Amino acid sequence: QKEVEQNSGPLSVPEGAIASLNCTYSDRGSQSFFWYRQYSGKSPELIMFIYSNGDKEDGRFTAQLNKASQYVSLLIRDSQPSDSATYLCAVYYSSASKIIFGSGTRLSIRP
Amino acid sequence: SQTIHQWPATLVQPVGSPLSLECTVEGTSNPNLYWYRQAAGRGLQLLFYSVGIGQISSEVPQNLSASRPQDRQFILSSKKLLLSDSGFYLCAWSGDGTEAFFGQGTRLTVV
Repeated sequence: QKEVEQNSGPLSVPEGAIASLNCTYSDRGSQSFFWYRQYSGKSPELIMFIYSNGDKEDGRFTAQLNKASQYVSLLIRDSQPSDSATYLCAVYYSSASKIIFGSGTRLSIRP
Repeated sequence: SQTIHQWPATLVQPVGSPLSLECTVEGTSNPNLYWYRQAAGRGLQLLFYSVGIGQISSEVPQNLSASRPQDRQFILSSKKLLLSDSGFYLCAWSGDGTEAFFGQGTRLTVV
């Protein structure tokens, strides 16, 4: 089992709709979870972090965490063409002090 | 504020040549440091991480090595590059359990 898994996509969503991105992880002891956005040829940039079960909202973005199911998701409301990018899920493995990334989901917002 | 410097931005090296990529962090002490590699269209593969001076953990056995000679300096090296070493190399730092912040990345092409 991979440490962090994401659907690679591509995920195509119409402009103005909600984009839903999902991630699962293997280490039940993990406490910190992150979503990054990466444009082609650029470094990843942090969008959201979440540490507790439930939802966390920041503008058009909502991160959801379910530790019992080992599942993290990211919702993007009112999707814009500028949201077209690869979205990376990352998990901090506290037992080893390392951050593992998923393979990323390519999101395309169509006008 | 914290900043991370990574250089060079691009590098073209012949097969069999040595490699040295350097990364430095400013504005924080005792950071966790990471080297990731990203193949075209793929996710971030963790290569090495370090929780302190001289402490290096290797994730994937390969043609590369890492060193941390100072608290905020992380170096990625190879004695002889292979074609398969081509990729986008990213240095990052984090606190304990917190998000990773990335350098600008180095695009390495081995020819």
